[in-house]
Amino acid sequence: LAKTTQPISMDSYEGQEVNITCSHNNIATNDYITWYQQFPSQGPRFIIQGYKTKVTNEVASLFIPADRKSSTLSLPRVSLSDTAVYYCLVGDIGNNDMRFGAGTRLTVKP
Amino acid sequence: SAVISQKPSRDICQRGTSLTIQCQVDSQVTMMFWYRQQPGQSLTLIATANQGSEATYESGFVIDKFPISRPNLTFSTLTVSNMSPEDSSIYLCSVEDIKGRVGYTFGSGTRLTVV
Repeated sequence: LAKTTQPISMDSYEGQEVNITCSHNNIATNDYITWYQQFPSQGPRFIIQGYKTKVTNEVASLFIPADRKSSTLSLPRVSLSDTAVYYCLVGDIGNNDMRFGAGTRLTVKP
Repeated sequence: SAVISQKPSRDICQRGTSLTIQCQVDSQVTMMFWYRQQPGQSLTLIATANQGSEATYESGFVIDKFPISRPNLTFSTLTVSNMSPEDSSIYLCSVEDIKGRVGYTFGSGTRLTVV
């Protein structure tokens, strides 16, 4: 199982772009990279998923370099409501090996 | 994506008793997962529940302590047996979505306090 490493916490201000990087040096060929967001007292919420290069949706962008040993979640123009814990998961879809790392606690300040 | 209803949302239980948590999905799903999240911590996978077969438990979790049922493709239960204060935690179920992305959707969790 690919182990992930993320910063424990990050601070930002409203309107800024936030980039959270996740390291996964032993990612396997079949592994996808998935990011989740979790607010207090709620279950994690899917943000974005990718395999390589760049993926963008209405919420975020995910940048994955060619060697796939890391990935960066980019949140454009964050607001106070983006304060949450962000988890990077790496695993083979459908193979029951998606494991949560420690996550990054993002605090957005006014 | 699937919609999950998890019950109860919270409970306070006496040590030595058991609590059964229910997870109902609005669509048929093959794989359902149960997680535990201790205060301020990340999520830990307890077990995977597939319909028609025994649940698969992760290291550190056993069936006698956390029996799981999966009677059909839309429902599962997790029982926390013979509870102790160390079992105080949030328990969450998640399901694979129709496109096969594991853990795509999570329930809102059950906050369990054992006194």
